Amino acid sequence: DTGVSQDPRHKITKRGQNVTFRCDPISEHNRLYWYRQTLGQGPEFLTYFQNEAQLEKSRLLSDRFSAERPKGSFSTLEIQRTEQGDSAMYLCASSPEKTGLGNQPQHFGDGTRLSIL
Amino acid sequence: DQQVKQNSPSLSVQEGRISILNCDYTNSMFDYFLWYKKYPAEGPTFLISISSIKDKNEDGRFTVFLNKSAKHLSLHIVPSQPGDSAVYFCAASPAFSTSGTYKYIFGTGTRLKVLA
Repeated sequence: DTGVSQDPRHKITKRGQNVTFRCDPISEHNRLYWYRQTLGQGPEFLTYFQNEAQLEKSRLLSDRFSAERPKGSFSTLEIQRTEQGDSAMYLCASSPEKTGLGNQPQHFGDGTRLSIL
Repeated sequence: DQQVKQNSPSLSVQEGRISILNCDYTNSMFDYFLWYKKYPAEGPTFLISISSIKDKNEDGRFTVFLNKSAKHLSLHIVPSQPGDSAVYFCAASPAFSTSGTYKYIFGTGTRLKVLA
């Protein structure tokens, strides 16, 4: 039973560069979430996909951020023109959709730690 | 506006004793609550959840209590073990969503240290 996989685990880049992260959810999970976590804080919601449809985006997700889930399987999160404030742990989570049961626990990957020089 | 609060940043407990971690929330629309454990350099790991139709849920050494009138939940770990040392996050969400989004709102975490 493979869990949520994220790649890369670490990314160091210069300010102004573009970065892209990948998330592979648990295979039967059709719900996929991106969160961001900074030091001393809990994860903060960024965006949500149900299958390939992006149903919600947080105000935290500025126009420099874009996320896709083209075939309803893996997802990518891209940050353009990175800024110092983008340094954080980016977490992906997935959960199943079970008819009539509403919310189900989300399972998290180990995250991608982004450091902006 | 912190909708989910964990007011104790850290807690130390002797091995074998009970650990009690607390969480308060302000949004009355929340009716599904979870606890996650996080080790350094790893993602959060789901521990236990509870919906508002219950006031207690138990799974092995872990029990979550929900007091809806006080908007308060707690996680009890009995007995505590050194391997339980980690950061614990509570999270809240609506149980059902017409928009289809079940995003979680997390607290800031409590660092538990279990002393051998």
